[in-house]
Amino acid sequence: DTEVTQTPKHLVMGMTNKKSLKCEQHMGHRAMYWYKQKAKKPPELMFVYSYEKLSINESVPSRFSPECPNSSLLNLHLHALQPEDSALYLCASSQDPQASGNTIYFGEGSWLTVV
Amino acid sequence: GQNIDQPTEMTATEGAIVQINCTYQTSGFNGLFWYQQHAGEAPTFLSYNVLDGLEEKGRFSSFLSRSKGYSYLLLKELQMKDSASYLCAVRAPNYGGSQGNLIFGKGTKLSVKP
Repeated sequence: DTEVTQTPKHLVMGMTNKKSLKCEQHMGHRAMYWYKQKAKKPPELMFVYSYEKLSINESVPSRFSPECPNSSLLNLHLHALQPEDSALYLCASSQDPQASGNTIYFGEGSWLTVV
Repeated sequence: GQNIDQPTEMTATEGAIVQINCTYQTSGFNGLFWYQQHAGEAPTFLSYNVLDGLEEKGRFSSFLSRSKGYSYLLLKELQMKDSASYLCAVRAPNYGGSQGNLIFGKGTKLSVKP
């Protein structure tokens, strides 16, 4: 089973709203990632959690706030977003942050529209 | 800097063979991945190469030459469902910490015609 589950699949929010995207995996993976993908563009790394600790923040604005409550869950809290933040947000995981060959498995993504 | 190049679009005929090329220049190398992404869906893992040579998985094969910074994905017996974007991604050390994370190319949109 190589499943990464994301909810919700679609989210429409206003610029003053606070919402969260959720991600879950039960493969025992210890690295989890958030990527952002705009239409016809490749995924871009936002955050990396390694053993439940934030190891990388790729200069993401503070209106995006990640959280890793435990080794299976990863959240992305959204507040005061802009219309240009509308995109597909992909959660991913890999087995061991220290091993170079681990495949990164993606969830189905959450489509976010900011109005 | 990090740079990954692949063709933007390709067209092929059902039943044929197509080769999608990828060249990369990265500061370090910890493996190259190919992902398939259908429109509106998440990327799906296809293959991984870290040593030179050919990896075969059914209708899909991937080749790597580290000295040339070059890889290709070969798709045989093309089917209509193979119409998708194919993403080349390199894992580079010191990009994203630990053993690195993925740097994606812009993707190649493959259209399979009857």
